[in-house]
Amino acid sequence: AQSVTQLDSQVPVFEEAPVELRCNYSSSVSVYLFWYVQYPNQGLQLLLKYLSGSTLVKGINGFEAEFNKSQTSFHLRKPSVHISDTAEYFCAVSEVDSNYQLIWGAGTKLIIKP
Amino acid sequence: DVKVTQSSRYLVKRTGEKVFLECVQDMDHENMFWYRQDPGLGLRLIYFSYDVKMKEKGDIPEGYSVSREKKERFSLILESASTNQTSMYLCASSRRDRPYYYEQYFGPGTRLTVT
Repeated sequence: AQSVTQLDSQVPVFEEAPVELRCNYSSSVSVYLFWYVQYPNQGLQLLLKYLSGSTLVKGINGFEAEFNKSQTSFHLRKPSVHISDTAEYFCAVSEVDSNYQLIWGAGTKLIIKP
Repeated sequence: DVKVTQSSRYLVKRTGEKVFLECVQDMDHENMFWYRQDPGLGLRLIYFSYDVKMKEKGDIPEGYSVSREKKERFSLILESASTNQTSMYLCASSRRDRPYYYEQYFGPGTRLTVT
């Protein structure tokens, strides 16, 4: 993967509203795709991953993401957000036959408005 | 509960000082990583280790070195701290086998300020 673009640096949304955080990558080969979440004052933790198989993957805390190969996207969604979802979300990609390295997006801060 | 711990949450050092950041994991993971996190830049890999005494440079190794004498411990060393090394430093670990390699477990981070 050459690069990962998270199109929004911040996404404000009202509590209980749906949200989509966008992630696009550039690569012409098979990839693994990940979303990590960083809650305030904590390290990152894995939210969900796509390795192969179904393009719709479900993660923790009600989040899901869909891999779209033709669009080279892996957008993260949640149908109804809660104040506890306030965090920064990072998309990461690795080419299947590459070395060890994950390529990271710049992050998107999800801001929940009461 | 699996854990990656880092020696300090906050650290303030002076320009030119030698700085040691320590990371310990209790998951028996082969791989360990040091990242730097800056606003708007995401995570950038500084160094990576896949075994005791083994290391590989990441994207931004200049000004840093690492040490891994034991499997559970991975140290990041700033030989002569500079103000442009003020940042959040994150340690992570993972299993060696693919694709679990990419499931990285992170410590809480050390926010380093160099004055």
